[in-house]
Amino acid sequence: AQSVTQPDIHITVSEGASLELRCNYSYGATPYLFWYVQSPGQGLQLLLKYFSGDTLVQGIKGFEAEFKRSQSSFNLRKPSVHWSDAAEYFCAVASDTGRRALTFGSGTRLQVQP
Amino acid sequence: NAGVMQNPRHLVRRRGQEARLRCSPMKGHSHVYWYRQLPEEGLKFMVYLQKENIIDESGMPKERFSAEFPKEGPSILRIQQVVRGDSAAYFCASSQTGGSGANVLTFGAGSRLTVL
Repeated sequence: AQSVTQPDIHITVSEGASLELRCNYSYGATPYLFWYVQSPGQGLQLLLKYFSGDTLVQGIKGFEAEFKRSQSSFNLRKPSVHWSDAAEYFCAVASDTGRRALTFGSGTRLQVQP
Repeated sequence: NAGVMQNPRHLVRRRGQEARLRCSPMKGHSHVYWYRQLPEEGLKFMVYLQKENIIDESGMPKERFSAEFPKEGPSILRIQQVVRGDSAAYFCASSQTGGSGANVLTFGAGSRLTVL
Protein backbone atom coordinates (compact mmCIF):
# COMPACT_ATOMS: atom_id res chain seq x y z
CA ALA A 1 0.00 0.00 0.00
CA GLN A 2 1.18 3.49 -0.73
CA SER A 3 2.06 5.87 2.09
CA VAL A 4 3.44 9.36 2.59
CA THR A 5 5.63 10.67 5.40
CA GLN A 6 6.11 14.31 6.23
CA PRO A 7 8.69 14.22 9.01
CA ASP A 8 8.35 17.85 10.06
CA ILE A 9 5.13 18.60 11.91
CA HIS A 10 5.88 22.27 12.41
CA ILE A 11 8.42 24.62 10.78
CA THR A 12 9.10 28.28 11.48
CA VAL A 13 11.05 30.46 9.06
CA SER A 14 11.71 34.16 8.80
CA GLU A 15 10.13 36.15 6.02
CA GLY A 16 12.48 36.27 3.06
CA ALA A 17 14.29 33.08 4.06
CA SER A 18 14.32 29.96 1.92
CA LEU A 19 12.06 27.03 2.65
CA GLU A 20 12.21 23.29 2.14
CA LEU A 21 9.44 20.96 3.28
CA ARG A 22 10.24 17.27 3.23
CA CYS A 23 8.10 14.49 1.82
CA ASN A 24 8.93 10.79 1.49
CA TYR A 25 6.65 8.30 -0.16
CA SER A 26 6.37 4.56 -0.28
CA TYR A 27 5.09 3.06 -3.49
CA GLY A 28 6.35 0.26 -5.70
CA ALA A 29 5.99 1.86 -9.11
CA THR A 30 6.21 5.40 -10.44
CA PRO A 31 3.91 7.49 -8.31
CA TYR A 32 1.89 10.55 -9.07
CA LEU A 33 2.95 13.16 -6.50
CA PHE A 34 1.24 16.31 -5.33
CA TRP A 35 1.63 19.20 -2.92
CA TYR A 36 -1.44 20.95 -1.57
CA VAL A 37 -1.72 23.97 0.72
CA GLN A 38 -4.47 24.57 3.27
CA SER A 39 -5.07 27.92 4.92
CA PRO A 40 -6.89 27.91 8.28
CA GLY A 41 -10.55 26.97 7.91
CA GLN A 42 -10.20 26.52 4.18
CA GLY A 43 -10.07 23.69 1.68
CA LEU A 44 -6.98 22.44 -0.10
CA GLN A 45 -5.40 24.19 -3.05
CA LEU A 46 -3.11 22.38 -5.47
CA LEU A 47 0.39 23.88 -5.56
CA LEU A 48 2.02 21.50 -8.04
CA LYS A 49 2.09 17.95 -9.30
CA TYR A 50 4.51 15.43 -10.79
CA PHE A 51 3.40 12.71 -13.18
CA SER A 52 6.47 12.08 -15.34
CA GLY A 53 9.23 13.83 -17.26
CA ASP A 54 11.33 16.62 -15.80
CA THR A 55 11.90 15.83 -12.14
CA LEU A 56 11.89 19.51 -11.13
CA VAL A 57 8.36 20.87 -11.31
CA GLN A 58 7.22 24.42 -10.96
CA GLY A 59 4.00 25.36 -9.22
CA ILE A 60 1.97 28.36 -8.26
CA LYS A 61 3.02 31.06 -5.80
CA GLY A 62 6.72 30.57 -6.57
CA PHE A 63 6.92 27.00 -5.24
CA GLU A 64 8.85 24.15 -6.84
CA ALA A 65 9.44 20.51 -5.98
CA GLU A 66 11.96 17.92 -7.04
CA PHE A 67 11.22 14.23 -7.51
CA LYS A 68 14.14 12.02 -6.46
CA ARG A 69 13.39 8.38 -7.15
CA SER A 70 16.55 7.13 -5.43
CA GLN A 71 15.49 8.83 -2.19
CA SER A 72 11.74 8.29 -2.61
CA SER A 73 11.35 12.00 -1.95
CA PHE A 74 9.38 14.92 -3.32
CA ASN A 75 10.50 17.95 -1.32
CA LEU A 76 8.84 21.32 -1.70
CA ARG A 77 10.97 24.44 -1.93
CA LYS A 78 10.60 28.18 -2.15
CA PRO A 79 13.57 30.58 -2.42
CA SER A 80 12.02 33.42 -0.43
CA VAL A 81 9.04 32.96 1.88
CA HIS A 82 6.31 35.57 2.24
CA TRP A 83 4.15 36.06 5.33
CA SER A 84 1.13 34.93 3.30
CA ASP A 85 2.74 31.49 2.88
CA ALA A 86 1.89 30.64 6.48
CA ALA A 87 -0.42 27.62 6.18
CA GLU A 88 -0.44 23.84 6.36
CA TYR A 89 1.20 21.93 3.54
CA PHE A 90 0.26 18.42 2.52
CA CYS A 91 2.16 16.02 0.30
CA ALA A 92 0.08 13.34 -1.43
CA VAL A 93 0.60 10.32 -3.67
CA ALA A 94 -1.65 8.52 -6.12
CA SER A 95 -1.02 5.27 -7.90
CA ASP A 96 -0.97 4.84 -11.64
CA THR A 97 -2.92 1.60 -11.43
CA GLY A 98 -6.36 3.12 -11.54
CA ARG A 99 -6.94 3.81 -7.87
CA ARG A 100 -7.20 7.53 -8.12
CA ALA A 101 -7.78 8.44 -4.53
CA LEU A 102 -4.87 10.33 -3.02
CA THR A 103 -3.03 9.25 0.10
CA PHE A 104 -1.99 12.26 2.14
CA GLY A 105 0.83 12.87 4.58
CA SER A 106 0.01 14.23 8.01
CA GLY A 107 1.00 17.74 6.99
CA THR A 108 3.59 20.37 7.90
CA ARG A 109 2.43 23.58 9.52
CA LEU A 110 4.48 26.56 8.36
CA GLN A 111 4.82 29.65 10.51
CA VAL A 112 6.48 32.78 9.08
CA GLN A 113 8.17 35.24 11.40
CA PRO A 114 8.39 38.90 10.41
CA ASN B 1 -16.88 28.37 -13.42
CA ALA B 2 -17.88 27.35 -9.92
CA GLY B 3 -15.54 25.02 -8.10
CA VAL B 4 -16.51 22.14 -5.86
CA MET B 5 -19.46 23.25 -3.76
CA GLN B 6 -20.06 21.79 -0.34
CA ASN B 7 -22.89 22.49 2.04
CA PRO B 8 -23.52 23.07 4.76
CA ARG B 9 -20.20 24.68 5.70
CA HIS B 10 -20.95 24.14 9.37
CA LEU B 11 -23.29 21.61 10.90
CA VAL B 12 -24.06 20.99 14.57
CA ARG B 13 -25.74 17.79 15.64
CA ARG B 14 -26.51 16.14 18.97
CA ARG B 15 -25.40 12.60 19.63
CA GLY B 16 -27.71 10.13 17.95
CA GLN B 17 -28.90 12.48 15.22
CA GLU B 18 -28.17 12.14 11.51
CA ALA B 19 -25.81 14.32 9.50
CA ARG B 20 -26.08 14.80 5.74
CA LEU B 21 -23.31 16.52 3.86
CA ARG B 22 -23.69 17.49 0.22
CA CYS B 23 -21.15 17.97 -2.55
CA SER B 24 -21.58 19.24 -6.09
CA PRO B 25 -18.52 18.52 -8.23
CA MET B 26 -16.92 20.96 -10.62
CA LYS B 27 -18.61 21.30 -13.98
CA GLY B 28 -17.33 18.58 -16.26
CA HIS B 29 -16.13 16.37 -13.40
CA SER B 30 -17.77 12.99 -12.97
CA HIS B 31 -15.77 11.57 -10.07
CA VAL B 32 -16.25 12.49 -6.42
CA TYR B 33 -14.11 11.70 -3.39
CA TRP B 34 -14.81 12.20 0.30
CA TYR B 35 -12.09 12.76 2.88
CA ARG B 36 -12.23 13.31 6.63
CA GLN B 37 -9.85 15.55 8.55
CA LEU B 38 -9.76 15.18 12.31
CA PRO B 39 -8.39 18.11 14.34
CA GLU B 40 -4.62 18.50 13.93
CA GLU B 41 -4.46 15.58 11.48
CA GLY B 42 -4.13 15.04 7.76
CA LEU B 43 -6.85 13.99 5.38
CA LYS B 44 -8.02 10.38 5.42
CA PHE B 45 -9.67 8.90 2.34
CA MET B 46 -13.19 7.65 2.86
CA VAL B 47 -14.90 6.88 -0.45
CA TYR B 48 -14.65 7.42 -4.22
CA LEU B 49 -17.76 7.50 -6.39
CA GLN B 50 -18.91 7.94 -9.95
CA LYS B 51 -22.49 8.64 -10.87
CA GLU B 52 -24.66 5.85 -9.39
CA ASN B 53 -21.61 3.77 -8.56
CA ILE B 54 -19.27 3.39 -5.59
CA ILE B 55 -15.79 2.68 -6.92
CA ASP B 56 -13.76 2.45 -3.71
CA GLU B 57 -15.11 2.59 -0.17
CA SER B 58 -12.10 1.12 1.56
CA GLY B 59 -11.83 4.09 3.92
CA MET B 60 -15.44 4.18 5.04
CA PRO B 61 -16.29 3.05 8.58
CA LYS B 62 -18.29 -0.16 8.39
CA GLU B 63 -21.26 1.18 10.32
CA ARG B 64 -23.31 4.37 10.32
CA PHE B 65 -21.57 5.93 7.28
CA SER B 66 -22.86 5.79 3.71
CA ALA B 67 -22.32 7.74 0.50
CA GLU B 68 -24.13 8.10 -2.76
CA PHE B 69 -23.78 10.01 -6.00
CA PRO B 70 -27.12 9.81 -7.81
CA LYS B 71 -27.69 10.34 -11.50
CA GLU B 72 -29.15 13.76 -10.73
CA GLY B 73 -28.07 15.99 -7.90
CA PRO B 74 -25.12 16.22 -5.55
CA SER B 75 -23.17 13.51 -3.82
CA ILE B 76 -24.34 12.89 -0.25
CA LEU B 77 -22.29 11.67 2.70
CA ARG B 78 -24.64 10.42 5.39
CA ILE B 79 -23.70 9.73 8.99
CA GLN B 80 -26.34 8.06 11.10
CA GLN B 81 -26.50 8.19 14.90
CA VAL B 82 -23.56 10.55 15.16
CA VAL B 83 -21.11 10.32 18.05
CA ARG B 84 -18.65 12.87 19.39
CA GLY B 85 -15.82 11.16 17.53
CA ASP B 86 -17.48 12.04 14.22
CA SER B 87 -16.69 15.72 14.82
CA ALA B 88 -14.35 16.63 12.00
CA ALA B 89 -14.03 18.51 8.74
CA TYR B 90 -15.34 16.54 5.77
CA PHE B 91 -13.87 17.47 2.42
CA CYS B 92 -15.20 16.60 -0.97
CA ALA B 93 -13.07 16.60 -4.10
CA SER B 94 -13.81 15.96 -7.75
CA SER B 95 -11.83 15.01 -10.84
CA GLN B 96 -12.25 14.50 -14.55
CA THR B 97 -13.06 11.16 -16.11
CA GLY B 98 -9.84 10.73 -18.03
CA GLY B 99 -6.82 12.37 -19.54
CA SER B 100 -4.21 14.31 -17.62
CA GLY B 101 -6.80 15.66 -15.24
CA ALA B 102 -8.00 12.28 -14.05
CA ASN B 103 -5.67 12.18 -11.07
CA VAL B 104 -5.90 15.87 -10.21
CA LEU B 105 -8.37 16.42 -7.39
CA THR B 106 -10.05 19.77 -6.85
CA PHE B 107 -11.25 20.24 -3.29
CA GLY B 108 -14.21 22.03 -1.83
CA ALA B 109 -14.01 24.26 1.24
CA GLY B 110 -15.24 21.50 3.52
CA SER B 111 -18.13 20.87 5.87
CA ARG B 112 -17.32 21.11 9.55
CA LEU B 113 -19.40 18.79 11.69
CA THR B 114 -19.64 19.35 15.44
CA VAL B 115 -21.37 16.72 17.55
CA LEU B 116 -22.53 17.92 20.95
